[in-house]
Amino acid sequence: SQTIHQWPATLVQPVGSPLSLECTVEGTSNPNLYWYRQAAGRGLQLLFYSVGIGQISSEVPQNLSASRPQDRQFILSSKKLLLSDSGFYLCASGTGAMAFFGQGTRLTVV
Amino acid sequence: GEDVEQSLFLSVREGDSSVINCTYTDSSSTYLYWYKQEPGAGLQLLTYIFSNMDMKQDQRLTVLLNKKDKHLSLRIADTQTGDSAIYFCAERAAGTYKYIFGTGTRLKVLA
Repeated sequence: SQTIHQWPATLVQPVGSPLSLECTVEGTSNPNLYWYRQAAGRGLQLLFYSVGIGQISSEVPQNLSASRPQDRQFILSSKKLLLSDSGFYLCASGTGAMAFFGQGTRLTVV
Repeated sequence: GEDVEQSLFLSVREGDSSVINCTYTDSSSTYLYWYKQEPGAGLQLLTYIFSNMDMKQDQRLTVLLNKKDKHLSLRIADTQTGDSAIYFCAERAAGTYKYIFGTGTRLKVLA
């Protein structure tokens, strides 16, 4: 089965600083990859998904960007963080009918 | 449109059955999922069903699908305190990539 690694687990960053969250996947090849944000411990908002290397689809206009430099690597970035970027960020990997999630990164922008 | 709806809270006593409900919108071939999220953790895939099925059972979990009403339910038999978590329903239309999640139902199991 797949294993999704996300790091760091927690992050506190000042407003205006850059961001880089990384996600790597083991146990599968050519997965569909996803970044979700969960605010206030509740619903999940799809931010980006990727069906292949260098292919990124953005779901909502925002201060964030995503890149997929390798088949099983997905990176979420920002040049300048806003307070509203705080939240719990989840990476997911989908193969066939199923999607599996990493353990998440809790980002607090101060 | 895309909208998956769930009630926000459910409280049950230990040993009772829990039933968590969800309504979805996609009327074509659809995959429907149940995920569990414990505090501070990611989402754990519990089970999924394709829209050509009516029911799926896996140990203490039973998924029922009413296609006419676009209603999905997750029944947990003999609910334990370890089942306390947020349960998310999600749908994905066959042939597409997007998983659409509900707002989650917080299940509290009382000892």
